[in-house]
Amino acid sequence: GENVEQHPSTLSVQEGDSAVIKCTYSDSASNYFPWYKQELGKRPQLIIDIRSNVGEKKDQRIAVTLNKTAKHFSLHITETQPEDSAVYFCAAKGTGFQKLVFGTGTRLLVSP
Amino acid sequence: NAGVTQTPKFQVLKTGQSMTLQCAQDMNHNSMYWYRQDPGMGLRLIYYSASEGTTDKGEVPNGYNVSRLNKREFSLRLESAAPSQTSVYFCASIQGWAETQYFGPGTRLLVL
Repeated sequence: GENVEQHPSTLSVQEGDSAVIKCTYSDSASNYFPWYKQELGKRPQLIIDIRSNVGEKKDQRIAVTLNKTAKHFSLHITETQPEDSAVYFCAAKGTGFQKLVFGTGTRLLVSP
Repeated sequence: NAGVTQTPKFQVLKTGQSMTLQCAQDMNHNSMYWYRQDPGMGLRLIYYSASEGTTDKGEVPNGYNVSRLNKREFSLRLESAAPSQTSVYFCASIQGWAETQYFGPGTRLLVL
């Protein structure tokens, strides 16, 4: 089945810096890659997603890139703000009906 | 429109006790999921229900049972709780062939 690895597990940046979180997946048939943000004590919420027919997608300060050949995708956050501090999860939809496989999460800390 | 709701929010059990976690969604979604979240391990799928009347095992089903009571409700039962089942449990749902999963607020379970 699908396996998703996520790095780094923790990431500390200064306000205004950029942050990059990387994920790799194993199933070349995977075709959907969402990113979720989870604030402390809250539920995961979708922030951006990308499908396998697209190489890059942007939404204001957030962007996701996908390299199907290398089977990896990344989340880029520019001009980070303290409210970006949270745990971020990547996921991939592998073979099988509507099942997401999640990475282990990255704890992002943005210091003022 | 409450989205995905879960009860209870928090529960303490003794080893060997049983309990049922409740999940309901009012978005007319077809598919529903149960995940557990443990530190450093991301979200792991316990069981899912692709549609009313069907359930299937996920990555970590041992020690759990589920019931898809109707289209709205999907419950998770622990027959004999063990300390290893201490975790935060999230329910999620998705509409048909859409791909965005919506999560409930979570149930924090402590098994002593």
